[in-house]
Amino acid sequence: AQSVTQPDIHITVSEGASLELRCNYSYGATPYLFWYVQSPGQGLQLLLKYFSGDTLVQGIKGFEAEFKRSQSSFNLRKPSVHWSDAAEYFCAVGINTGNQFYFGTGTSLTVIP
Amino acid sequence: ETGVTQSPTHLIKTRGQQVTLRCSSQSGHNTVSWYQQALGQGPQFIFQYYREEENGRGNFPPRFSGLQFPNYSSELNVNALELDDSALYLCAGTSGLQETQYFGPGTRLLVL
Repeated sequence: AQSVTQPDIHITVSEGASLELRCNYSYGATPYLFWYVQSPGQGLQLLLKYFSGDTLVQGIKGFEAEFKRSQSSFNLRKPSVHWSDAAEYFCAVGINTGNQFYFGTGTSLTVIP
Repeated sequence: ETGVTQSPTHLIKTRGQQVTLRCSSQSGHNTVSWYQQALGQGPQFIFQYYREEENGRGNFPPRFSGLQFPNYSSELNVNALELDDSALYLCAGTSGLQETQYFGPGTRLLVL
């Protein structure tokens, strides 16, 4: 069965520091992988996606993620965090047609000045 | 702006009642998916409709049902509401089966 694990429930980083959010998935076929961000009271905004091809994916707001098939991982990174990045981050795997999503439980990011 | 709107934004119901949530997607979004997000959890896939037919279902009982209409709107119906149905319900539209999904802002349902 498919599943997504985000091991870190909550992360705190200083503004300007680098960030890495971890995501591991379990799925028998080639995965479609996504990262979404959710601010309080807001819907989900797509940061980036991986369907195929280059395993290093660039997204919006300076985020990037790397697909590593051998580790079943799709970690999200940002070299320098801004206070406005504080939010909840969700990793998702898309099955079947690619857009029936199974989400992780999320990582809450706090940014301190 | 995702082109996906949902109504109402908030709703309070009592246990045993029935509820209908609505989603309106922009022209070209022929696929719509519904998700339930309990407090502190990630969204869980309820079902997906493609060209007005159900095209996949998550682990939800039959009292969760849906409809998709030709004008790119859709409904999520929940019968016999339970306290655990309290959650944020999200719909997502996409223009194709392998295209990016765009999420609406959600409807927050509270069951008392």
